[in-house]
Amino acid sequence: GAGVSQTPSNKVTEKGKYVELRCDPISGHTALYWYRQSLGQGPEFLIYFQGTGAADDSGLPNDRFFAVRPEGSVSTLKIQRTERGDSAVYLCASSPGGRVNTGELFFGEGSRLTVL
Amino acid sequence: DQQVKQNSPSLSVQEGRISILNCDYTNSMFDYFLWYKKYPAEGPTFLISISSIKDKNEDGRFTVFLNKSAKHLSLHIVPSQPGDSAVYFCAASVLDSSYKLIFGSGTRLLVRP
Repeated sequence: GAGVSQTPSNKVTEKGKYVELRCDPISGHTALYWYRQSLGQGPEFLIYFQGTGAADDSGLPNDRFFAVRPEGSVSTLKIQRTERGDSAVYLCASSPGGRVNTGELFFGEGSRLTVL
Repeated sequence: DQQVKQNSPSLSVQEGRISILNCDYTNSMFDYFLWYKKYPAEGPTFLISISSIKDKNEDGRFTVFLNKSAKHLSLHIVPSQPGDSAVYFCAASVLDSSYKLIFGSGTRLLVRP
């Protein structure tokens, strides 16, 4: 597609449930990023993939969060035993390479997660 | 501990006038700064950036100024247009982890016709 695609756009779940959020990056982009935006805040870095491997997962808040990118394209962010504090917009972005110094970080529209 | 701060949550400007959005940072290791614009229900889109070796970068109506000694940067929009109404995020990165952008909390700009 023309841009970064994220599904679902909205997800409402109950506390304790498992959730998967999907990101389809721009074709040919080797770098993929997940950010989380809570209400009234800016995006917060979660994880960065270069190809299939997670080059930096230091932003994942705890071991309930996990992300994969098995074929170097589509990525899935997985959240186990969801908590109300996980409610946020989860943003995926991609870029041609790992460096963002040219500003080429292309964001999707986000997946809004609400944990009841 | 907010490393990038946007202290004005909102700004209202008359069409045709200048909009000035401010951003302060605390980490002296930051060497690249970016501004992103976000419309409702859309992801942030890149607007303009500046390297720490420069103090000004201009792109059409948008100019970013960097004052390293004050750890302050600003985005100027001249002239402001109603279509500029959006949330503006300041972001910063460190050279050896340039993929990890640290964002401010954003400033909502309203340009009144």
